[in-house]
Amino acid sequence: RKEVEQDPGPFNVPEGATVAFNCTYSNSASQSFFWYRQDCRKEPKLLMSVYSSGNEDGRFTAQLNRASQYISLLIRDSKLSDSATYLCAVNNLGGATNKLIFGTGTLLAVQP
Amino acid sequence: GAVVSQHPSWVICKSGTSVKIECRSLDFQATTMFWYRQFPKQSLMLMATSNEGSKATYEQGVEKDKFLINHASLTLSTLTVTSAHPEDSSFYICSARRTGAEFTGELFFGEGSRLTVL
Repeated sequence: RKEVEQDPGPFNVPEGATVAFNCTYSNSASQSFFWYRQDCRKEPKLLMSVYSSGNEDGRFTAQLNRASQYISLLIRDSKLSDSATYLCAVNNLGGATNKLIFGTGTLLAVQP
Repeated sequence: GAVVSQHPSWVICKSGTSVKIECRSLDFQATTMFWYRQFPKQSLMLMATSNEGSKATYEQGVEKDKFLINHASLTLSTLTVTSAHPEDSSFYICSARRTGAEFTGELFFGEGSRLTVL
């Protein structure tokens, strides 16, 4: 089983739609969680960190469920510019495992 | 903001040659840098963790003698792909963790280097 798993998509949604992505992780000791956005042939850019209490940044809401070991990203009122690959990333802090592991990414295509 | 510069952005080389990629943290010190590789339509796969002043830690399945990593200063890590072959063609991305921020988990990424081996 992969350490971090995502539905690769693609998710094809119309402008204005709400779309949600989930990501599961296998290591219960994981301590920090992130969503990154990656445009085609570019490096990933941090979209938001994910906190236990959940957090919101404009149209984007991230949630963490430690009991079920998944994180989610909700995008409201999708824009054409939201089209990208969304990568979840999980970090196990401390010692030899202090490294960021990425999921396979979920491709989002927002249609006009 | 924290800036990581990676060079070169693109490189095309002949099979059998070696290619060096540099990763620099421009406005912060980075005790730890990471090297990832991404094949088309696949995720970023961690290759190795580069620690300033010590040997890199390689992930399982990554040949340390083929992918040489040097982290000689707090702002520079280099990845050398030795005797490159077409199957090494990929997008190589470095990332840096700010010294002192080991428990935030946040990384800053370089722009990536696209290697094509003919």
